[in-house]
Amino acid sequence: DQQVKQNSPSLSVQEGRISILNCDYTNSMFDYFLWYKKYPAEGPTFLISISSIKDKNEDGRFTVFLNKSAKHLSLHIVPSQPGDSAVYFCAASPNAGGTSYGKLTFGQGTILTVHP
Amino acid sequence: NAGVMQNPRHLVRRRGQEARLRCSPMKGHSHVYWYRQLPEEGLKFMVYLQKENIIDESGMPKERFSAEFPKEGPSILRIQQVVRGDSAAYFCASSPPGQSFNEKLFFGSGTQLSVL
Repeated sequence: DQQVKQNSPSLSVQEGRISILNCDYTNSMFDYFLWYKKYPAEGPTFLISISSIKDKNEDGRFTVFLNKSAKHLSLHIVPSQPGDSAVYFCAASPNAGGTSYGKLTFGQGTILTVHP
Repeated sequence: NAGVMQNPRHLVRRRGQEARLRCSPMKGHSHVYWYRQLPEEGLKFMVYLQKENIIDESGMPKERFSAEFPKEGPSILRIQQVVRGDSAAYFCASSPPGQSFNEKLFFGSGTQLSVL
């Protein structure tokens, strides 16, 4: 039962353009969402997060949008750079009575390639 | 300040042997999590430990797998009598005490287990 889904295995964009990575979830108990970036032979690195009380969070070139009614979130990278080429994982967590911890449910990942 | 250290980076075992994966959390971190990534899949939560305590092992297979985080020394994920299906990348993550923010999760570079 895949509770967090990233339906696009890969995405290719030109340098300077926008990259949009999508993620869907099914578990209504999820109310905290994160994006991680992973380079080959390295562990995932936290990128940006959003709580369910918000619909948008921005950090520099990275913006995450959350549509709770559609159980959908997306990560926008503008402008895209070749160094952004990596695997991007969407992850979700329930807020268990306010005591959240590192028990995350991950999607399968999307391989982003940014061409110079 | 060293990050989360995992060793070995690569581990090859024959079916029926034991695999021991080690994880040293970041300095000052007392919470350790183990995740497993099977080929073509996202990371899946296995177990959450604090010093000398298993807090949540809901993601651990019922047999052959065990984890510990002793008062002194690294956390150990132990897999007895390995089978080919155990071949995967095993990631450890740590977080500091007293945090309720998931983004404070720091991942190691993983151990790639290959079972022949």
